[in-house]
Amino acid sequence: AQSVTQLDSQVPVFEEAPVELRCNYSSSVSVYLFWYVQYPNQGLQLLLKYLSGSTLVKGINGFEAEFNKSQTSFHLRKPSVHISDTAEYFCAVSEETSGSRLTFGEGTQLTVNP
Amino acid sequence: NAGVTQTPKFQVLKTGQSMTLQCAQDMNHEYMSWYRQDPGMGLRLIHYSVGAGITDQGEVPNGYNVSRSTTEDFPLRLLSAAPSQTSVYFCATYKFPGVRAYEQYFGPGTRLTVT
Repeated sequence: AQSVTQLDSQVPVFEEAPVELRCNYSSSVSVYLFWYVQYPNQGLQLLLKYLSGSTLVKGINGFEAEFNKSQTSFHLRKPSVHISDTAEYFCAVSEETSGSRLTFGEGTQLTVNP
Repeated sequence: NAGVTQTPKFQVLKTGQSMTLQCAQDMNHEYMSWYRQDPGMGLRLIHYSVGAGITDQGEVPNGYNVSRSTTEDFPLRLLSAAPSQTSVYFCATYKFPGVRAYEQYFGPGTRLTVT
């Protein structure tokens, strides 16, 4: 079985500052990795995914993430955040043999202050 | 396209009552899932389906029932509601294979309170 740990429950930053949201995972088999964003009172939407290939993955809204197999990490980064990036961010993993069974981390609340 | 729709948006139940949360999609996706979201716990998979007539249990299936008679609909039934089932419930779908493989599309959620 796989598990996901998001290392920070809350991350406050100032507008235009860079941000990194950290995600570590555990699995005995190869995995697919995802980041989802949830704005207040809405469902989740996909930011980016890693299935295979280049370990640096670019997503929507200027976000990117890097898959590090040796450190079992998939950290999310953005070089310059906006107020509109304030939301909760979820890292998720599924085993390659079972893409249906997503396991989510606990979430990181990103708050961008003016 | 409406995408993934869920009804109702809000529901209050008394302990022991039963109800069905509806989920419908017009994306022609084979895969559908139900999750519950609780503060500080992320989302946890309740049940999922890989196609009409096929369902399987997720991480937290107890107290919930599902069936999938059509590609479009995937209702979630609470058999006898308990306060521990107070949560926000999300339905999600995805398609496989293809460029968008494994990208899950979420509905807006149903906020359920059991008193």
